Amino acid sequence: GAVVSQHPSRVICKSGTSVKIECRSLDFQATTMFWYRQFPKQSLMLMATSNEGSKATYEQGVEKDKFLINHASLTLSTLTVTSAHPEDSSFYICSAEGSGNTIYFGEGSWLTVV
Amino acid sequence: DAKTTQPTSMDCAEGRAANLPCNHSTISGNEYVYWYRQIHSQGPQYIIHGLKNNETNEMASLIITEDRKSSTLILPHATLRDTAVYYCIVRVATGANNLFFGTGTRLTVIP
Repeated sequence: GAVVSQHPSRVICKSGTSVKIECRSLDFQATTMFWYRQFPKQSLMLMATSNEGSKATYEQGVEKDKFLINHASLTLSTLTVTSAHPEDSSFYICSAEGSGNTIYFGEGSWLTVV
Repeated sequence: DAKTTQPTSMDCAEGRAANLPCNHSTISGNEYVYWYRQIHSQGPQYIIHGLKNNETNEMASLIITEDRKSSTLILPHATLRDTAVYYCIVRVATGANNLFFGTGTRLTVIP
């Protein structure tokens, strides 16, 4: 199967600062990647669809100016949480479509805002 | 919105087959059935998918009813490491279509 990798796996940041999470497709190219957020004991919620070379598409209720997404290459998408607050603390997961039209997920990134 | 219905939780004895059901009565003709699982604090792991024929791989088997309104994921010999939340998802397998996650089934494998 295809491999999707996220970095960092865990990050702690101070309230008001920004933090960047990277999502890479290691052995395939992905024109589209997806970003999800998951709160404890809840299911994954799609935040946005990241498109290489164009603007991301955000789901309703997700602030595009707060969650900046950049998909500058066919193997890398980044999610930047700007002016982070404690309520942004969550598990952030990316995914990309690999061979056979199958979507593969990264390991996830735990964000804690203190 | 998720188009599938799954039991909230299930238990299975270690070494036994785990049979996880999923209802998708409104599935469209071009939608596949995908199964993923999520072990605590990790990203979802792809298990298997199918359109209408039964499928088998090294992880599991997928049995889809003839009318495609339901399916069953079978883990033939469950181990403790199979304890996870299992998600059944229907998705059109063309174009940049994402996955909508429901609540899934929390499978607990008991020693």
